[in-house]
Amino acid sequence: GQNIDQPTEMTATEGAIVQINCTYQTSGFNGLFWYQQHAGEAPTFLSYNVLDGLEEKGRFSSFLSRSKGYSYLLLKELQMKDSASYLCAVQDSNYQLIWGAGTKLIIKP
Amino acid sequence: GAVVSQHPSWVICKSGTSVKIECRSLDFQATTMFWYRQFPKQSLMLMATSNEGSKATYEQGVEKDKFLINHASLTLSTLTVTSAHPEDSSFYICSARDVGGQQETQYFGPGTRLLVL
Repeated sequence: GQNIDQPTEMTATEGAIVQINCTYQTSGFNGLFWYQQHAGEAPTFLSYNVLDGLEEKGRFSSFLSRSKGYSYLLLKELQMKDSASYLCAVQDSNYQLIWGAGTKLIIKP
Repeated sequence: GAVVSQHPSWVICKSGTSVKIECRSLDFQATTMFWYRQFPKQSLMLMATSNEGSKATYEQGVEKDKFLINHASLTLSTLTVTSAHPEDSSFYICSARDVGGQQETQYFGPGTRLLVL
């Protein structure tokens, strides 16, 4: 079967760094996406990884290891507005997105 | 980046009526669009995949006669909730896949909140 695992909830402090992990088992792999979803809003695209390694985009970075079926999203210099759910999704061999349940990130002052 | 719009953003209707939701890709062509539903504090649930010029593919458990999908052009897909009932009240979100770029990223519309009384 297809499975995406990520922690349900994480808490971090404003100004700190947090790493959100995602492990996956899917039928085929055509890239891994991270999306941010604020409460009551639709998801917004953050990053895409299809090759192993680290992709950096401002305060956010995403890492992928295909051999380990593992990715993480790294958020630096946390701000209160980063409080949201972070969704990991893998595009399978049919180019369909398989979604994780999301990680709710709580930022404390 | 790619922009996807949805209309309306809010709908309140009486039980038994039908509601149409539009999803448009504004600055790119989308041969494939997706319709999701999300209940409060729950994950996104894919309802169906909408392909331009052909029938939609529905996920298991989603009634195709109740949730009618039409993808008439490369920039527009519509979802019609027929004979809506209170249990259909939810947050409906569409996404469109931009195949023009290298990533084939799905970009989401802002969502439509449906409340059936």
